[in-house]
Amino acid sequence: QKEVEQNSGPLSVPEGAIASLNCTYSDRVSQSFFWYRQYSGKSPELIMSIYSNGDKEDGRFTAQLNKASQYVSLLIRDSQPSDSATYLCAVNQLGAGNNRKLIWGLGTSLAVNP
Amino acid sequence: DVKVTQSSRYLVKRTGEKVFLECVQDMDHENMFWYRQDPGLGLRLIYFSYDVKMKEKGDIPEGYSVSREKKERFSLILESASTNQTSMYLCASSLSLGGSYEQYFGPGTRLTVT
Repeated sequence: QKEVEQNSGPLSVPEGAIASLNCTYSDRVSQSFFWYRQYSGKSPELIMSIYSNGDKEDGRFTAQLNKASQYVSLLIRDSQPSDSATYLCAVNQLGAGNNRKLIWGLGTSLAVNP
Repeated sequence: DVKVTQSSRYLVKRTGEKVFLECVQDMDHENMFWYRQDPGLGLRLIYFSYDVKMKEKGDIPEGYSVSREKKERFSLILESASTNQTSMYLCASSLSLGGSYEQYFGPGTRLTVT
């Protein structure tokens, strides 16, 4: 069973700090990696995609991918209370002739305290 | 911007009723997905479709069926609703071109079966 694992949290950080969210995956041939943010009662919203090793920055968000170690992380700089949400990691599943599905982690709950 | 819409935000049905959940996307995406999300269980794939009239079972298809007669529309059908199908139902779509497979979600339908 190919899996995506995240710490459930809650991860609590003070306002203005860096929040670091981590995700590991078991399928070595996965190629596409995604971070979604989900506010309570709302649907997931795509915030970052990353496809190659290294860092990808978008505003206050940085995604980091290390395929050799099979982990992907999300850093949120200058955390704001509005960043308080559950962050879902998703990985593109290859194989079996169908690589359109994503495998989802259970999410990490982030609380940013004013 | 991709827009995915779902027919209802909240729905209350009785046990045994046939329930239709509709999803429409406006970005000409090939792939469409139906998930349910329950606390502690994360996102679970019910069915997906990669083309008109094409469908594949996800991880939990029992008790559900789907229909995709037009590219933009994907319907989820609960043949005989049961209380264990009370959940948040999320529709998503993605584009295969370029191999990105980013999924975009509708707002969700919270279904209660009594």
